[in-house]
Amino acid sequence: EAGVAQSPRYKIIEKRQSVAFWCNPISGHATLYWYQQILGQGPKLLIQFQNNGVVDDSQLPKDRFSAERLKGVDSTLKIQPAKLEDSAVYLCASSLQGSNTEAFFGQGTRLTVV
Amino acid sequence: DAKTTQPNSMESNEEEPVHLPCNHSTISGTDYIHWYRQLPSQGPEYVIHGLTSNVNNRMASLAIAEDRKSSTLILHRATLRDAAVYYCILSRAWQGAQKLVFGQGTRLTINP
Repeated sequence: EAGVAQSPRYKIIEKRQSVAFWCNPISGHATLYWYQQILGQGPKLLIQFQNNGVVDDSQLPKDRFSAERLKGVDSTLKIQPAKLEDSAVYLCASSLQGSNTEAFFGQGTRLTVV
Repeated sequence: DAKTTQPNSMESNEEEPVHLPCNHSTISGTDYIHWYRQLPSQGPEYVIHGLTSNVNNRMASLAIAEDRKSSTLILHRATLRDAAVYYCILSRAWQGAQKLVFGQGTRLTINP
């Protein structure tokens, strides 16, 4: 079974530039998560989709971050404009619908803002 | 979001059992207890989960207190590959999906 695919693996940008990350979840998984993990900290949930609808985006800095999940499958997370403090690993995960299921994580995208 | 409390770090020796504790005193009746671990430079991976009864799988065992306010992840025979950050998470149903909120986790070091 193919896992959660994320691209790119690494990205270096200058502050105030924009960047986009892509995630392809496991086929059939209704729930998709985006997390931000700053070095030395646990993953922080940014946004959670159920199919193509948002169920939680309370921690998403909406003035600069946006995310979409077209047709309930692939998802993109965008940052515009980036700040130095956005340097982190951005993790995508997916799971089947329900509260008793295993979430599968991608390898993440490491973003460095200089 | 329901909170969990874990020690920041623990250390054990190779081939010995490891007991990783987690306190979750505000757990609600429908919250599942999940454990994930994160190896260096990788995304988190699922370890085990349970509701009320103790659970076993090929990776670990989960012992849940009778009042469900605490749980323990048990690695029966630690190897060097088990060195990772272990996260205890309460999975709460939210609009038909589960919400997984990570804390700081426990960094487990395994000595050869």
